[in-house]
Amino acid sequence: TQLLEQSPQFLSIQEGENLTVYCNSSSVFSSLQWYRQEPGEGPVLLVTVVTGGEVKKLKRLTFQFGDARKDSSLHITAAQPGDTGLYLCAGENNAGNMLTFGGGTRLMVKP
Amino acid sequence: EPEVTQTPSHQVTQMGQEVILRCVPISNHLYFYWYRQILGQKVEFLVSFYNNEISEKSEIFDDQFSVERPDGSNFTLKIRSTKLEDSAMYFCASRVGYEQYFGPGTRLTVT
Repeated sequence: TQLLEQSPQFLSIQEGENLTVYCNSSSVFSSLQWYRQEPGEGPVLLVTVVTGGEVKKLKRLTFQFGDARKDSSLHITAAQPGDTGLYLCAGENNAGNMLTFGGGTRLMVKP
Repeated sequence: EPEVTQTPSHQVTQMGQEVILRCVPISNHLYFYWYRQILGQKVEFLVSFYNNEISEKSEIFDDQFSVERPDGSNFTLKIRSTKLEDSAMYFCASRVGYEQYFGPGTRLTVT
């Protein structure tokens, strides 16, 4: 059974601050996906990283996949209140037929 | 932009009743999934479906659950005899490449 540990669970910061969310596992994943989920809605895909060491940027969000494809991070620069929400990481198994989700990081950015 | 759609958005049923949750995946996707999320908990994988057969299933997906692709567009999840613990958000997803796109979910409440 593959497990993904996501940290921190909760994060409350002021507008303009930087933050990093971590996703760690002892298992190797074929890809790692980051989602954002609003209450009562489905996860919305932000990015997929596939190659070990890969870095992807989405405006102020930077996503990195670990060299060994066991961990990933999401870094937000100059956070804004609109970044408030639940961020989920999810790793795909080698067969490509399931995602294992982390527990999520609930981010609050105060104006 | 193509989206995964799900119906109904909310289903209330009595314990022991059968329910069918419906999904329309994105049209050119070939892999389909069901996940569930109990309130306040992680998103959990239930089952994946490819080429008209189950590709992978979790321990949660026991004999009470079944999936079907009755035509070229719909993908359904049936729970034969619902239990109180089946109350959750159920998400359908479809995949292209490495990316899984989720629907908005069906909130199932079993009373």
